Amino acid sequence: GAVVSQHPSWVICKSGTSVKIECRSLDFQATTMFWYRQFPKQSLMLMATSNEGSKATYEQGVEKDKFLINHASLTLSTLTVTSAHPEDSSFYICSANSYWAGSYNEQFFGPGTRLTVL
Amino acid sequence: TQLLEQSPQFLSIQEGENLTVYCNSSSVFSSLQWYRQEPGEGPVLLVTVVTGGEVKKLKRLTFQFGDARKDSSLHITAAQPGDTGLYLCAGAGGGGADGLTFGKGTHLIIQP
Repeated sequence: GAVVSQHPSWVICKSGTSVKIECRSLDFQATTMFWYRQFPKQSLMLMATSNEGSKATYEQGVEKDKFLINHASLTLSTLTVTSAHPEDSSFYICSANSYWAGSYNEQFFGPGTRLTVL
Repeated sequence: TQLLEQSPQFLSIQEGENLTVYCNSSSVFSSLQWYRQEPGEGPVLLVTVVTGGEVKKLKRLTFQFGDARKDSSLHITAAQPGDTGLYLCAGAGGGGADGLTFGKGTHLIIQP
């Protein structure tokens, strides 16, 4: 249980184009999903918190107009990188909370999406 | 802003040796999680510690949460090449909907 998928696994795009990344919780409902970014040899940095049916909460320094997040259902959140530039090239990882009796904010991560902007 | 200092950042040891990874903070966390990440993949949850002083064992891995819930350690006994990977500690705040604060990670290499 508690499986999170991401699509696509990797994407290469031209500078100036937009890219959409999907994050799905496959066997549970996730009220809250999180988006992280990871640069090579570095740790994960939280970008935003996505709540179903409401606006996402962005971390300081993350441009909300550049990284559009939509959480349309309890099993799907999408991250759209608008007008992508080479410096946006990174590994984007989503996670979802899975709550049940006795659990403590355990997050389950997707496999990540490798974005390369040429 | 909550920060987690993880050390060492890189560690290369021989098979059979023991090692300890530390995760320290000046902040109190409601829970702390340890993950392992393989290249090109998402992190996989190893354990969650919640209670101050708590010790959890997962085969050759022993996880401890500090009494004040500000620090944690991961001890691996008789390390094996299959233990090679990136180990991440992550702290959760008091709110259930909080994103995790990650340490910088420990790149572990176990040489046969």
